[in-house]
Amino acid sequence: GNSVTQMEGPVTLSEEAFLTINCTYTATGYPSLFWYVQYPGEGLQLLLKATKADDKGSNKGFEATYRKETTSFHLEKGSVQVSDSAVYFCALSRFGGSQGNLIFGKGTKLSVKP
Amino acid sequence: SQTIHQWPATLVQPVGSPLSLECTVEGTSNPNLYWYRQAAGRGLQLLFYSVGIGQISSEVPQNLSASRPQDRQFILSSKKLLLSDSGFYLCAWSGQARNTEAFFGQGTRLTVV
Repeated sequence: GNSVTQMEGPVTLSEEAFLTINCTYTATGYPSLFWYVQYPGEGLQLLLKATKADDKGSNKGFEATYRKETTSFHLEKGSVQVSDSAVYFCALSRFGGSQGNLIFGKGTKLSVKP
Repeated sequence: SQTIHQWPATLVQPVGSPLSLECTVEGTSNPNLYWYRQAAGRGLQLLFYSVGIGQISSEVPQNLSASRPQDRQFILSSKKLLLSDSGFYLCAWSGQARNTEAFFGQGTRLTVV
């Protein structure tokens, strides 16, 4: 079946450090891949997405590349800020049917210290 | 533009009491609608999804039910809350196209005491 596995948190970094959050997936067909961010007490916001192999999604300094050969969609940022502290979820779209459902990883909590 | 509204933002309810959480979407028609639950320190669990009025699919058997009385309205209910129903509930919508992203409401923090 379809699934998403992302690295366990929490991840604690100093401001301006490099960030990588690993995400791998299992899916039939050709899903789209997403990163969502959840700030404390809020809902999820779409951070970036990629719809086909080799696509790179980017937003707010974050990037992730859809790697079909390694079934990965790792999230990266070159220099994190305190305001990036949040929980990050990797997700894929459920292939087929009309449900358009997303399958989420368990989330990775990021804390950035000044 | 499309917006999603979810209320209330927070709720404290005694065990055994009923529950009704409401979610409405504006600016789109015939959306797919979802209810997720996020327990403390855990990931997202899909509870229900709906592809149309009156069409509800349940992902996890539980003490909750969902209804979609109108195209852009999705309601999560319970007749008798349990302590284990506490959590952060999120409503979301997506378009009907394949592989499309979902957009989330701000969530409801439910505490059952």
